[in-house]
Amino acid sequence: DGGITQSPKYLFRKEGQNVTLSCEQNLNHDAMYWYRQDPGQGLRLIYYSQIVNDFQKGDIAEGYSVSREKKESFPLTVTSAQKNPTAFYLCASSPLTGQNQPQHFGDGTRLSIL
Amino acid sequence: AQSVTQPDIHITVSEGASLELRCNYSYGATPYLFWYVQSPGQGLQLLLKYFSGDTLVQGIKGFEAEFKRSQSSFNLRKPSVHWSDAAEYFCAVGGGATNKLIFGTGTLLAVQP
Repeated sequence: DGGITQSPKYLFRKEGQNVTLSCEQNLNHDAMYWYRQDPGQGLRLIYYSQIVNDFQKGDIAEGYSVSREKKESFPLTVTSAQKNPTAFYLCASSPLTGQNQPQHFGDGTRLSIL
Repeated sequence: AQSVTQPDIHITVSEGASLELRCNYSYGATPYLFWYVQSPGQGLQLLLKYFSGDTLVQGIKGFEAEFKRSQSSFNLRKPSVHWSDAAEYFCAVGGGATNKLIFGTGTLLAVQP
């Protein structure tokens, strides 16, 4: 079945440590997105990418980095510069042809601080 | 500024009762509107979408939504709620070449037996 796979489901970070969240899709979608979800705040866009080797900052990019070396993969690194990383992280993808196609979501990764 | 407002943080309804979740948006161009549902610890599932045409759209799980341009609203409705509908519901607006979405803060629905 086609879909978006996020791993791991749960992740713990020590102080000063960088961690990487994986997002893989087999939907052949051009665009991929990373969101952060905090209680009562909805989803906020961290980074997005419309094409391989290109990506743009979203609304809350500070303390995060991404790469897009393959169409299927869009990993997110939470760096030590992100002082409040505890949150639920969601990856999404969508086609860009025809514009305004719905985004499809993975099941998320919950990141906590040790 | 582009924004989505979901005025109700929590709603509790009895099983079998009707449901309406409110969504108001502010968007400079033609809005493309979505409703998503999220079960605890899960990702978001698309319920329905509005791009153009008939302002009453049907979605999955018996949900429907009505686009009212004059009120900048896109409210979600269901005539009879089931216990399995308990979840968090998000309204989103998008548009443009990047297909970026702006989400509301969500409405948490509880269903009483």
